[in-house]
Amino acid sequence: GENVEQHPSTLSVQEGDSAVIKCTYSDSASNYFPWYKQELGKRPQLIIDIRSNVGEKKDQRIAVTLNKTAKHFSLHITETQPEDSAVYFCAASRNFGNEKLTFGTGTRLTIIP
Amino acid sequence: DSGVTQTPKHLITATGQRVTLRCSPRSGDLSVYWYQQSLDQGLQFLIQYYNGEERAKGNILERFSAQQFPDLHSELNLSSLELGDSALYFCASSVALLGNTDTQYFGPGTRLTVL
Repeated sequence: GENVEQHPSTLSVQEGDSAVIKCTYSDSASNYFPWYKQELGKRPQLIIDIRSNVGEKKDQRIAVTLNKTAKHFSLHITETQPEDSAVYFCAASRNFGNEKLTFGTGTRLTIIP
Repeated sequence: DSGVTQTPKHLITATGQRVTLRCSPRSGDLSVYWYQQSLDQGLQFLIQYYNGEERAKGNILERFSAQQFPDLHSELNLSSLELGDSALYFCASSVALLGNTDTQYFGPGTRLTVL
């Protein structure tokens, strides 16, 4: 089955700096890669996603890049703010998201004011 | 607010007991997914229902079962509970229009504590 590895497990960044989180997937049939943000005790919230036919997608301060050949994708957050502090999960799915999500192990991001 | 609702919010019970978790998907969503989040296992897929039918199973224990009703709400039944079943249980729903990108929206979760 699919396996998604995520690094780093914790990340501390000075406010205003950039943060990068990386994920690697194993199933070459995966073609949909969402990123979720989860605050303590709350539900995972989708922040950005990308399909396998796209190499990069950007939404304001957040961007995701995908390298299908290497089977890895990354989340980039620029101009970080204290409210970006949370746990971030990458995930992979087949069938453009119409199947289960396989999640990475999460990255705890702390923004230092 | 994602539009997905889950009840109850918290559940405290004893080992050996049985509980039922309920999920109402977003209006119009046909697919319901159940995920378990524990400290040691992370977010794990349990089971998926689509328009009343089971579509996919993950690492769901035999003590666990689920169903989706005609009104599309879903219930997850956990029986013979063990301490290790303590976790956050999330339901997610999606439109499930094949051929289109399908986004899963998560409910607020049910925190189960088994004592």
